This record gives sequence, structure tokens and C-alpha cells, in this order.
Amino acid sequence: RKEVEQDPGPFNVPEGATVAFNCTYSNSASQSFFWYRQDCRKEPKLLMSVYSSGNEDGRFTAQLNRASQYISLLIRDSKLSDSATYLCVVTTYSGNTPLVFGKGTRLSVIA
Amino acid sequence: NAGVTQTPKFRVLKTGQSMTLLCAQDMNHEYMYWYRQDPGMGLRLIHYSVGEGTTAKGEVPDGYNVSRLKKQNFLLGLESAAPSQTSVYFCASRPLGGDTGELFFGEGSRLTVL
Repeated sequence: RKEVEQDPGPFNVPEGATVAFNCTYSNSASQSFFWYRQDCRKEPKLLMSVYSSGNEDGRFTAQLNRASQYISLLIRDSKLSDSATYLCVVTTYSGNTPLVFGKGTRLSVIA
Repeated sequence: NAGVTQTPKFRVLKTGQSMTLLCAQDMNHEYMYWYRQDPGMGLRLIHYSVGEGTTAKGEVPDGYNVSRLKKQNFLLGLESAAPSQTSVYFCASRPLGGDTGELFFGEGSRLTVL
């Protein structure tokens, strides 16, 4: 089983739609969780961290379920500019442990 | 603000040739990483470094060597390039003790091995 698994998509949604991405991780020692965004032919950039209590940043909401080892990202009122690949990232964070990236979920928002 | 700079950005090699990718960061970060990204495979860690003079193997280290002689530079070497090493290579860095999970990436280096 891969350490971090995501549905690759693509998710094709109309503008204004709500879309949710899921991610599962296999290492129960994982402590920190993140969502990154990667535009086509660009480098990944941090979108948001995922906290145990859930957190929101504008139209984006991230949730963590430690019992099920599951992370989600919800995007409300999708914009054309949200079209990108969304990467789930996990780490045990024992100081120098590298982050582990999922393969990403591709989102296309259509006018 | 330069951040993380990778050179070269594009390169075409013939099988068996050697080359070095240079990553330079001006943020005084302790940790540096080399990833490769292939279609359908996501980002895979090749090698990483937790400080000047140290390196460690990642998920896919075979065929690559690295060096971190200076804190700001992390070099990735291909001694004898193979077509399987055709990929986009990303360098990244983050500070010691950083708990935000933010990796700072370079713009990538596209390598084609014929």
C-alpha cells in the first residue's frame, strides 16, 4: 500500500460548484498534514496545513480524521483559477523526516 | 527575492553522458531535497540533506549522486544518464525547526535523455 493515496481524477466541475478531494495515509505515526497546489508545468506550492480540529481559509476547508487516517480538502464556489493539481502531503515530523507527497488530484473548473 | 534557483532549466542528454543539476537557496535553510516528477507517479524523493556536509537517500536514489559542500547549494549528479531518468527535477528547501510543512521549491529542471 502506498504511503499516501489520492484519487487522481480528473475532476471536471462547473464554476461555482463545490468539490471535495480525499486522501488516505498508511503511517499511523504521521503527525503533520498539508495540501499543496501545483499548476501545470509549475512547482508545487503550499496551499494550507491541516489541523486536527479542521481549518478553513476562505473557500477552502481542510479536515483530518486520525482514526480513519484520512484527510480531505473542500473547495466551495469553484473558480476557473482553482484549476490545478492538488497534492496531499504527510510527514511524521521527527525533525528531519522528509515530507511524503501523494500523486495528486487534478481539478479542472469549467466555465 | 531569489528563493530557490535551479540550473539548468532545460537539458537534453545522450545516454551515457553525465551532468550536474545545481540547486541554490538564499534563505539559509538547513534542509534541502531533490525530487523527480513523472506523469502518473507524483513527486518522488531522490536524495536529501539535513545540513551542510550531510546527505541521505530517498525513495529513488539509484543512478544519482548528491553533494552538499556548502549550506546554500545542493548538487544532483547523473554519472551515466539513462532514458529512464528523463523527468522533471525539483529542488526544495525548508528551515530547521520549521513546522508549517512549507517546502520552498525551485521552478524545476526538465531533463530529456535520448
